[in-house]
Amino acid sequence: GEDVEQSLFLSVREGDSSVINCTYTDSSSTYLYWYKQEPGAGLQLLTYIFSNMDMKQDQRLTVLLNKKDKHLSLRIADTQTGDSAIYFCAESSQGGKLIFGQGTELSVKP
Amino acid sequence: GAVVSQHPSRVICKSGTSVKIECRSLDFQATTMFWYRQFPKQSLMLMATSNEGSKATYEQGVEKDKFLINHASLTLSTLTVTSAHPEDSSFYICSAREGVATEAFFGQGTRLTVV
Repeated sequence: GEDVEQSLFLSVREGDSSVINCTYTDSSSTYLYWYKQEPGAGLQLLTYIFSNMDMKQDQRLTVLLNKKDKHLSLRIADTQTGDSAIYFCAESSQGGKLIFGQGTELSVKP
Repeated sequence: GAVVSQHPSRVICKSGTSVKIECRSLDFQATTMFWYRQFPKQSLMLMATSNEGSKATYEQGVEKDKFLINHASLTLSTLTVTSAHPEDSSFYICSAREGVATEAFFGQGTRLTVV
């Protein structure tokens, strides 16, 4: 079945780059997404990538997709304390529903 | 991006009562709405998908008689937790999508506590 896996925690220092990794199983996914969730809040769409692309850059965010290995990563350049949150990757599935990973808690230390 | 408003943001109710959560799309027509449940420190689990004017499609293991979903208009869907019990305490999040658009936009979530 469909499954999305992420590492649970990542800790970086302010100013460093953060790389959050994700693997998925459904090779038919059309889009893959990265969402950010701050404590007690809903999800904020950060970026998404179409499955026929291998890279997408949007300001401090870079998404890399290795479709062969079903591996997705999110790189945040110059990480700030305000980037501390939980980051979810998700793959689109049949009917438009999203399958989420378990989330990576990013902690940014000053 | 488009705005999805979810109300209330927090609710506390007594065991055995029912609670209604609203999800509104403010500036687009939400032909499809999704309801998710999130346990602490866990991922989002899809509960059901609803298309405007149709009955909701529930995921396996979700009790349709307990979690009533109504999507009567293109801007409003409601989730009613009937006869709530403490184990229903959770964070409920809706998302909405227009047509076959790429993006689904999420509400801010509702923290339900059943005492």
